[in-house]
Amino acid sequence: EAGVTQFPSHSVIEKGQTVTLRCDPISGHDNLYWYRRVMGKEIKFLLHFVKESKQDESGMPNNRFLAERTGGTYSTLKVQPAELEDSGVYFCASSQGTRSSYEQYFGPGTRLTVT
Amino acid sequence: KNEVEQSPQNLTAQEGEFITINCSYSVGISALHWLQQHPGGGIVSLFMLSSGKKKHGRLIATINIQEKHSSLHITASHPRDSAVYICAVRSGAGSYQLTFGKGTKLSVIP
Repeated sequence: EAGVTQFPSHSVIEKGQTVTLRCDPISGHDNLYWYRRVMGKEIKFLLHFVKESKQDESGMPNNRFLAERTGGTYSTLKVQPAELEDSGVYFCASSQGTRSSYEQYFGPGTRLTVT
Repeated sequence: KNEVEQSPQNLTAQEGEFITINCSYSVGISALHWLQQHPGGGIVSLFMLSSGKKKHGRLIATINIQEKHSSLHITASHPRDSAVYICAVRSGAGSYQLTFGKGTKLSVIP
């Protein structure tokens, strides 16, 4: 069974540009999460989808970030326009079912560098 | 808001040594995760526990709910154990959000 995949693995963009990150969860996992780790800090929660609905987006830093999960399958996280402080590693995770006790499986991450 | 503290931040050990990484949190939780991240790699879940102790190979994780503390032990450490070990907690029943510690960077020297 394929794990959580993310694309691209690395993206370098200039300040002011737009970047779209993609996450494909494990097939059948209703829950999808986005996390971010900026340099020197701990990983922080961004948002949580249940199927195509945003269950919790309390961690989204500002309105330059837009997450979607059309059809309840893969998800995209768009940053527009990107700022220097957006640099970091963006992780996606998924878990099955609706019980919060289910284990989260993480993707390899996308390293975003904004110059 | 839960505060998650890990210690030590960095740890260097000789191959074969017994290693302990600690995690403490400030607010009651529904589950605690231990995660591993190799350099340049993704995050792998090692354990998810809400009470007691779990063992997988040379890895052992324990949690004391009353003390709000968990430990990750590695027996007979090996250079391939070199990685960042991250503690993350889920606060309260029905909560999906994970709060992470800053991680412990482990280097095992041959």
